[in-house]
Amino acid sequence: GQQVQQSPASLVLQEGENAELQCNFSTSLNSMQWFYQRPEGSLVSLFYNPSGTKQSGRLTSTTVIKERRSSLHISSSQITDSGTYLCAMELHTGNYKYVFGAGTRLKVIA
Amino acid sequence: EAAVTQSPRSKVAVTGGKVTLSCHQTNNHDYMYWYRQDTGHGLRLIHYSYVADSTEKGDIPDGYKASRPSQENFSLILELASLSQTAVYFCASSDRLGGSAETLYFGSGTRLTVL
Repeated sequence: GQQVQQSPASLVLQEGENAELQCNFSTSLNSMQWFYQRPEGSLVSLFYNPSGTKQSGRLTSTTVIKERRSSLHISSSQITDSGTYLCAMELHTGNYKYVFGAGTRLKVIA
Repeated sequence: EAAVTQSPRSKVAVTGGKVTLSCHQTNNHDYMYWYRQDTGHGLRLIHYSYVADSTEKGDIPDGYKASRPSQENFSLILELASLSQTAVYFCASSDRLGGSAETLYFGSGTRLTVL
């Protein structure tokens, strides 16, 4: 089965609303990252967060290893937040590779 | 600033032709990766390498070869390009700390269209 599952698959927000994006994984975790993919395709690293909580501006990432999940919270969404959010996890399989979720496509409207 | 540079930015190839995608990093990282992304999907790992002159198969290696002639350079080779290999290809590099991968740094991607 799929090792990394992201939800929701897509989301539409009114500007100013908050959002919580989820990433669930099926095995133990070594490392994880959250990425933002711009509409034109380039990837921006948001957080490297294998455990605990990290915040950067309006974005907060929380990884709870025992519950096998990581979340990305976006507060006070802006139109420029629109794009795709991807989580990537290095699972504890000894293969030294990151596995990506399918992404959450976010659209923020005025 | 960590940098991963891919070339070309885009390419149109004919079915059955040979395609080489190049990646160069100035991060001094040991690990390099090739991913492909199909429209509306996440990234899938094709090949990776953790040392020069050695490559490893990822999750979808069929139809692809990889070459790591130096720490800085990592190429992806499609010997006989097929329509199903139309996708965006991303190269990335990372370091390792203890037993875990560090932050992935991505190139800007190569859009490959096979006709």
